[in-house]
Amino acid sequence: DTGVSQNPRHKITKRGQNVTFRCDPISEHNRLYWYRQTLGQGPEFLTYFQNEAQLEKSRLLSDRFSAERPKGSFSTLEIQRTEQGDSAMYLCASSLIRSGANVLTFGAGSRLTVL
Amino acid sequence: AQRVTQPEKLLSVFKGAPVELKCNYSYSGSPELFWYVQYSRQRLQLLLRHISRESIKGFTADLNKGETSFHLKKPFAQEEDSAMYYCALSYNQGGKLIFGQGTELSVKP
Repeated sequence: DTGVSQNPRHKITKRGQNVTFRCDPISEHNRLYWYRQTLGQGPEFLTYFQNEAQLEKSRLLSDRFSAERPKGSFSTLEIQRTEQGDSAMYLCASSLIRSGANVLTFGAGSRLTVL
Repeated sequence: AQRVTQPEKLLSVFKGAPVELKCNYSYSGSPELFWYVQYSRQRLQLLLRHISRESIKGFTADLNKGETSFHLKKPFAQEEDSAMYYCALSYNQGGKLIFGQGTELSVKP
């Protein structure tokens, strides 16, 4: 297990196109998180799953964004009709929820550039 | 709403000098506080968390509920400490983390 894996690492697309990112978490982790990070800012929460259930979605998240984790393993984040403001680094993290602190392990991120 | 504030975007010190990266939070209950670090060209990774009360790479952080702060300290900075540091808060027993904007620490030789 090499940690949290994200693909593709870089994506350049034209405005209006759809893009999809994939995240493969650490295999025994039951929680999976998506964050977005823009230059000079900290990671901004988007959504998270416990197994296949989506437990929370940011109210700031546009309807153009959708995430799935169909079998409780890998997850996809789709952005429809991309806009230039969607350009950012999309981070995935996973954790094994247990009593005590919830420690997130992050992937390297998928960088999106919308032209 | 829950919020994490890191007032300094950049902190520059000389090697061997003490370092304090400030973090303040807003939450009325009992939060879990973390410091994450991102070295150049590396992933975001956990540095330390308040419940473990440990020292990692010489860094310590104490949760002060009265001042709602969780400042990160190191008595003698090293060049390899240069990185982005993010303070983060979790408030519902294992839910999402809320991050601050980050502080870039630059340690000069």
